[in-house]
Amino acid sequence: QSVLTQPPSVSAAPGQRVTISCSGGSSNIGNSYVSWYQQLPGTAPKLLIYDSNKRPSGIPDRFSGSKSGTSATLGITGLQTGDEADYYCGTWDRSLSAFVFGTGTKVTVL
Amino acid sequence: QLQESGPGLVKPSETLSLTCTVSGGSIMSSSTYYWGWIRQPPGKGLEWIGNIHHNGITSYNSPLKSRVTILVDTSKNQFSLTMTSVTAADTAVYYCVRMVVVAIYKDYFDDWGQGTLVTVSS
Repeated sequence: QSVLTQPPSVSAAPGQRVTISCSGGSSNIGNSYVSWYQQLPGTAPKLLIYDSNKRPSGIPDRFSGSKSGTSATLGITGLQTGDEADYYCGTWDRSLSAFVFGTGTKVTVL
Repeated sequence: QLQESGPGLVKPSETLSLTCTVSGGSIMSSSTYYWGWIRQPPGKGLEWIGNIHHNGITSYNSPLKSRVTILVDTSKNQFSLTMTSVTAADTAVYYCVRMVVVAIYKDYFDDWGQGTLVTVSS
C-alpha cells in the first residue's frame, strides 16, 4: 500500500553527506506535513524530523528535512557509522484517510 | 513510556489481542495526543493500523478496518488492539505509538513502544 516512494538504499563514506528522497502526490506530501523516522537494526523506529523540517530535541543538526511540491528529502551530513539504519518518511494521505509510510531506505556507511 | 504486552503466538483464524501501557504521564494529558498501533512484517516496511483519542474517537486503515478494534481504558492508562480472523500475513512486530496531531494533516509519531513480535501459526 506504499504510496510514498523512496530509494531502496543509499551509501557514502564516513563524513560525507547523503540525501534520501520521498516521492508522493497531491493527496499526501503535496498537502500535508512530512515526518521522518530512523530505525536502527533490531530497534523501534525513532522520530527524526516532524512538520517536514523540524527536529525533536536531542536530534543533532546533522539531520535535516525539506519539502517541495509532492516530494520530501532527508539530509544527513557528517555521516557516522551509527547512522547505518533504515529510514522512513511518513505523512497523512487524504484520499486514503490514512497515515502512510514510504518504502524505506537503507543507509550504509562505506 | 509505551510498553506492549500480549501473546506472541496466535493461531490462524483466531483473534490477536495486544495491550499498550502508558507510563510517565496520563493518557489524557493532551488533546493533541492520539494513541495507536503500527506493524512491521519481518523484513518489510511500516504499516499504520489505527489510532484512538482518549475521548474514544477512532480512525483505522481501510484494508484492516473490518477486522480491527482499538479501545482506550483511561482508568488503567492503557489502550488495546484487537484483530480478528488473523492469517499468516498478520505476522509482524506490532508497535504501540503516540501520535501528535497539531492540526489537520500535521501529525507525527513521537513515541514508540519497543515492539512485540506476533506470529500467526498453528
